[in-house]
Amino acid sequence: AQSVTQLDSQVPVFEEAPVELRCNYSSSVSVYLFWYVQYPNQGLQLLLKYLSGSTLVKGINGFEAEFNKSQTSFHLRKPSVHISDTAEYFCAVIRNGNEKLTFGTGTRLTIIP
Amino acid sequence: GAGVSQSPRYKVAKRGQDVALRCDPISGHVSLFWYQQALGQGPEFLTYFQNEAQLDKSGLPSDRFFAERPEGSVSTLKIQRTQQEDSAVYLCASSPEDRDNEQFFGPGTRLTVL
Repeated sequence: AQSVTQLDSQVPVFEEAPVELRCNYSSSVSVYLFWYVQYPNQGLQLLLKYLSGSTLVKGINGFEAEFNKSQTSFHLRKPSVHISDTAEYFCAVIRNGNEKLTFGTGTRLTIIP
Repeated sequence: GAGVSQSPRYKVAKRGQDVALRCDPISGHVSLFWYQQALGQGPEFLTYFQNEAQLDKSGLPSDRFFAERPEGSVSTLKIQRTQQEDSAVYLCASSPEDRDNEQFFGPGTRLTVL
């Protein structure tokens, strides 16, 4: 079985400052990795995904994430955040050959003006 | 084009009532998923369809939960004899065959059981 850990439940960041949201996973088999964003009263929207290849993945809205196999991490970063980035962010995995997403508990990103 | 739609968006039920939640996936999407998101938690997998076949229902918490997708498009999640612990947001997602496991989510149905 796989699991996903997002250690930070809430992250406050000043506007235009950089941010990193942490995600660690555990799995005995290879996985695909995802970051989703959830704005208030909306469904989940895919930010980026890692399937294979380059370990640095670029997504929408200026976000990027780096897959680190040795540390089993897939941290999300943005060099300069905006007020509109205020949302809940979920890291998720799919076990290779499976279909269902396993999510972390989420990180609420709050941007301080 | 239209995304995944779900109805109703909000549902209040008295304990013991049956409820039915509807999901309209993106047209042509083969796979359909249901997830349950409790307050302050990440979504948790309930069940998965490929066309009309229910291939995985390992996440359904009890036999009070039942899902169907009879014609391979619209899906209904039914909860019988609702309990307070069923209160959650129920998310539906669909996925085409060739998008590398990317799932497109609907806005969810918020179920409150009193």
